[in-house]
Amino acid sequence: EPEVTQTPSHQVTQMGQEVILRCVPISNHLYFYWYRQILGQKVEFLVSFYNNEISEKSEIFDDQFSVERPDGSNFTLKIRSTKLEDSAMYFCASRPGTVLDTQYFGPGTRLTVL
Amino acid sequence: AQKVTQAQTEISVVEKEDVTLDCVYETRDTTYYLFWYKQPPSGELVFLIRRNSFDEQNEISGRYSWNFQKSTSSFNFTITASQVVDSAVYFCALSSSGGYQKVTFGTGTKLQVIP
Repeated sequence: EPEVTQTPSHQVTQMGQEVILRCVPISNHLYFYWYRQILGQKVEFLVSFYNNEISEKSEIFDDQFSVERPDGSNFTLKIRSTKLEDSAMYFCASRPGTVLDTQYFGPGTRLTVL
Repeated sequence: AQKVTQAQTEISVVEKEDVTLDCVYETRDTTYYLFWYKQPPSGELVFLIRRNSFDEQNEISGRYSWNFQKSTSSFNFTITASQVVDSAVYFCALSSSGGYQKVTFGTGTKLQVIP
């Protein structure tokens, strides 16, 4: 069964550094998402992406965040200058865009900012 | 705005006991989806069920069952004869069925099944 994949599974970075989290959505899916889960808290929506542009974003998704679909398969989340509070699990999701479809979540990337 | 409330922060049960996880939601959408996810200690989100708002039939899958009550905006999850492997955090979630369908999660219920 097709899966959403994410790399790396764990990323450690120094405060102030830029990080790029990578996701490969399921082929032929049209809608892409990033969610964040700070340790011990709920999963929170960051951004949705459709037709090569951001369709919706939360207040968490400020200017230090950006998303990109650089080619036909990858979907990336960039954090420009990481802060300690960016330490979290980041989940990518995708969905096909058909009637009664649903989102498929990747396994997550755990980001640790030191 | 959408909201999902899971009032139970942590539950402990002894193995083989039944346990019900509560979920109450708020939405202005007339059609929407409700979900349950399991998050084991390894951290991934394991999809358990999606329910459409127009389908109020209860569902059973093995030891798992779900009770959807639109009149009370609740979507409760029952595990029958709990097992140690059921120990995890369980999230109830909600999305609209139209538009971009961002998913709104509850705060989760941590279930510990004691052998």
